[in-house]
Amino acid sequence: GAVVSQHPSWVICKSGTSVKIECRSLDFQATTMFWYRQFPKQSLMLMATSNEGSKATYEQGVEKDKFLINHASLTLSTLTVTSAHPEDSSFYICSARRPGLAEGEQFFGPGTRLTVL
Amino acid sequence: KQEVTQIPAALSVPEGENLVLNCSFTDSAIYNLQWFRQDPGKGLTSLLLIQSSQREQTSGRLNASLDKSSGRSTLYIAASQPGDSATYLCAVTGSARQLTFGSGTQLTVLP
Repeated sequence: GAVVSQHPSWVICKSGTSVKIECRSLDFQATTMFWYRQFPKQSLMLMATSNEGSKATYEQGVEKDKFLINHASLTLSTLTVTSAHPEDSSFYICSARRPGLAEGEQFFGPGTRLTVL
Repeated sequence: KQEVTQIPAALSVPEGENLVLNCSFTDSAIYNLQWFRQDPGKGLTSLLLIQSSQREQTSGRLNASLDKSSGRSTLYIAASQPGDSATYLCAVTGSARQLTFGSGTQLTVLP
């Protein structure tokens, strides 16, 4: 089966610092990767869609200068939370698609818990 | 804008019971609907995917139905077990080919 990994699984940082989260597709080439954010007791909200070699498409209300996404290869996408603040504390989940899947079908990573002090 | 609602928000049942989780969506122009399971602090596990042309899908003790015209789906879990305890999310794929998630139903199966 298709496996998507995320690193780190959790991170604690001080306010004002930047944090990078990696998302990797381990056994397939991902043409598209997605980044979601999930606050406690809430559902997943799509932040941005990332296609390899092109700029990410951000959802309305998501600051592209704060959440930097790089999809430099077909197996790796990174999300950098710049100048993190306590309100950025959340669970960040990535997912990946490969050709041949049904529309909307994605393989999800295990998530990264970010806590900003 | 697509909105997905799940009822109930939480459900607690004794082991062995059959149960139904509900999902409704406002825009019937969907490609498919999926049901996921999420354990605390973990990512998502895909359970079932129903194409818009299908009425139901089955996997083991799980059965999901889809009524696209009325904007409803149900997930039926037969003979529930404590290991089924988790949050169940439904999500629809809309015209933008993106997933819109419901807020989930937190299921607790008591031994």
